[in-house]
Amino acid sequence: NAGVTQTPKFQVLKTGQSMTLQCAQDMNHNSMYWYRQDPGMGLRLIYYSASEGTTDKGEVPNGYNVSRLNKREFSLRLESAAPSQTSVYFCASTYSLGAQGEQYFGPGTRLTVT
Amino acid sequence: KQEVTQIPAALSVPEGENLVLNCSFTDSAIYNLQWFRQDPGKGLTSLLLIQSSQREQTSGRLNASLDKSSGRSTLYIAASQPGDSATYLCAAVNQAGTALIFGKGTTLSVSS
Repeated sequence: NAGVTQTPKFQVLKTGQSMTLQCAQDMNHNSMYWYRQDPGMGLRLIYYSASEGTTDKGEVPNGYNVSRLNKREFSLRLESAAPSQTSVYFCASTYSLGAQGEQYFGPGTRLTVT
Repeated sequence: KQEVTQIPAALSVPEGENLVLNCSFTDSAIYNLQWFRQDPGKGLTSLLLIQSSQREQTSGRLNASLDKSSGRSTLYIAASQPGDSATYLCAAVNQAGTALIFGKGTTLSVSS
């Protein structure tokens, strides 16, 4: 099992450019999550998908969109990147239909917006 | 709104010492509490999950306790080793079970 995989590992964007961060899990998990981690702010939830076909906003959803493509894949899109979106992005998944189960994290995508 | 606090932000100890990491949360109506480890430049690894009805969980040299009434959880690490050096994060799951609320972590350094 690869667990939770994320692509790309690193990305540099110019302000206004768009990109999609990809996440996939091979553990047959139901719920998937996108977090961002910033120095001094900790991990904050951007969007989540409690089950295939559903998505909901987390604490900091502005400037992002998500797609739960199927049970395995959950993508995060930045339509018009801003320097404030410079961060490390983590995808996570859990078997439970909600956040109460043990969460498994991907290795992260380090994004810089100039 | 649930807030999770971890004190201290950083801790340095010599190898072999037993230590305690603290986590406090403002809303006692949690579904469960989870402890994670994060190595530099890496993702998070789940260490222990304590259900709201439980008082503690153990895994090897790690023991986590939960006191909902006081809004506190502790992670006890026995006989610390240099390989334990990492950032430890706690996270409370809200009662609806929809989200993990993270503390900012305690960065542990164990010297040999």
